[in-house]
Amino acid sequence: AQKVTQAQTEISVVEKEDVTLDCVYETRDTTYYLFWYKQPPSGELVFLIRRNSFDEQNEISGRYSWNFQKSTSSFNFTITASQVVDSAVYFCALSEADYGGATNKLIFGTGTLLAVQP
Amino acid sequence: DTGVSQDPRHKITKRGQNVTFRCDPISEHNRLYWYRQTLGQGPEFLTYFQNEAQLEKSRLLSDRFSAERPKGSFSTLEIQRTEQGDSAMYLCASSLIWNRGGKQETQYFGPGTRLLVL
Repeated sequence: AQKVTQAQTEISVVEKEDVTLDCVYETRDTTYYLFWYKQPPSGELVFLIRRNSFDEQNEISGRYSWNFQKSTSSFNFTITASQVVDSAVYFCALSEADYGGATNKLIFGTGTLLAVQP
Repeated sequence: DTGVSQDPRHKITKRGQNVTFRCDPISEHNRLYWYRQTLGQGPEFLTYFQNEAQLEKSRLLSDRFSAERPKGSFSTLEIQRTEQGDSAMYLCASSLIWNRGGKQETQYFGPGTRLLVL
């Protein structure tokens, strides 16, 4: 069965601190996709990144970076120099790849609430 | 704005009443997903469509729930005889799946419909 675990329920940091959000996943599939979404108080899930299981390169986008390690089944997310606007719930998600390589349903973790204090 | 839209944004109803939600996906997207999110949890998959075909339904989708996407564009989710346990955020997402070329999909979410059953 597929499962995503986000052990950190809440994290509170002061602005400009770096923060890492942990994500551990379980799957028997050899081809799968991992995602991070941000959910601000308004409720809408905002897509941040997608990574497939064959691409273990780390990625950096501005203040955001992601560390994918298949050996430990982890896909961690780091925000550098956090800002108040980063305050939100962050979800890690896993998707299998069906026949033809297409993904379908997302399996989400329980999310991590990040509070960035000014 | 060409994102995913959902209507209504909020719905309060009495137990036993029927409710219907609407989702308008991103115009060129052929896949449409419904998820349910309860407080403090990640979204859980309910069902999805490719064009007008409903391809998968979760066990969470009881007989009181029905979803349609009659023309492969917008979708409706109806809950009959609502129960207090149906109170949740109902999220819609859409994606574009290509049949050729190995392109993969990312699901883009709407703002959700928050349902409260009294």
